[in-house]
Amino acid sequence: EAQVTQNPRYLITVTGKKLTVTCSQNMNHEYMSWYRQDPGLGLRQIYYSMNVEVTDKGDVPEGYKVSRKEKRNFPLILESPSPNQTSLYFCASSLTGTGGSNEQFFGPGTRLTVL
Amino acid sequence: GNSVTQMEGPVTLSEEAFLTINCTYTATGYPSLFWYVQYPGEGLQLLLKATKADDKGSNKGFEATYRKETTSFHLEKGSVQVSDSAVYFCALRNFGNEKLTFGTGTRLTIIP
Repeated sequence: EAQVTQNPRYLITVTGKKLTVTCSQNMNHEYMSWYRQDPGLGLRQIYYSMNVEVTDKGDVPEGYKVSRKEKRNFPLILESPSPNQTSLYFCASSLTGTGGSNEQFFGPGTRLTVL
Repeated sequence: GNSVTQMEGPVTLSEEAFLTINCTYTATGYPSLFWYVQYPGEGLQLLLKATKADDKGSNKGFEATYRKETTSFHLEKGSVQVSDSAVYFCALRNFGNEKLTFGTGTRLTIIP
């Protein structure tokens, strides 16, 4: 089944404790992206990757890191999480990075709480 | 820059009622427009899309028409069901850039 998977689905952690949220897609997509969803703000892009070893900042990159060593994986790293990073996170992928009508496929989401 | 303004929610309707969720946008060039739906506990799914002016996207009884003159992409359904209860997001994307710009989302609840 074609899908985007994220792990973990739920995470409660404390301020300053490094964490990684994994994202994997099995559709051989070139483009991958991370979004965060907050009430009243919709989804905002954190980082994106046009292809392996190519990553760039989105609208809200502060406090996050990403890497793209393999085509299928795009982990989101929080080196020192803070309470304002409590949010619902979505990974997404699409066939190419050239936009237009390409559909983006979303993972099920990771609900992160930072105490 | 790009922006999407969506009808504020939440919206509560009775089953079989007519639904309209308003969406207007600001963008340079000729963006593609999308409606995504998020069912409880799930990720976003593409509901429908339109890629040029006057295109009508449709799926599962939902429709939206790309109106360039009013920069709008309103979502409509003639007869809603309880299973349509979800959060709906309007979004746009410019050609040559994969980034999606989302509205704030509209929570829809359908009561039997």
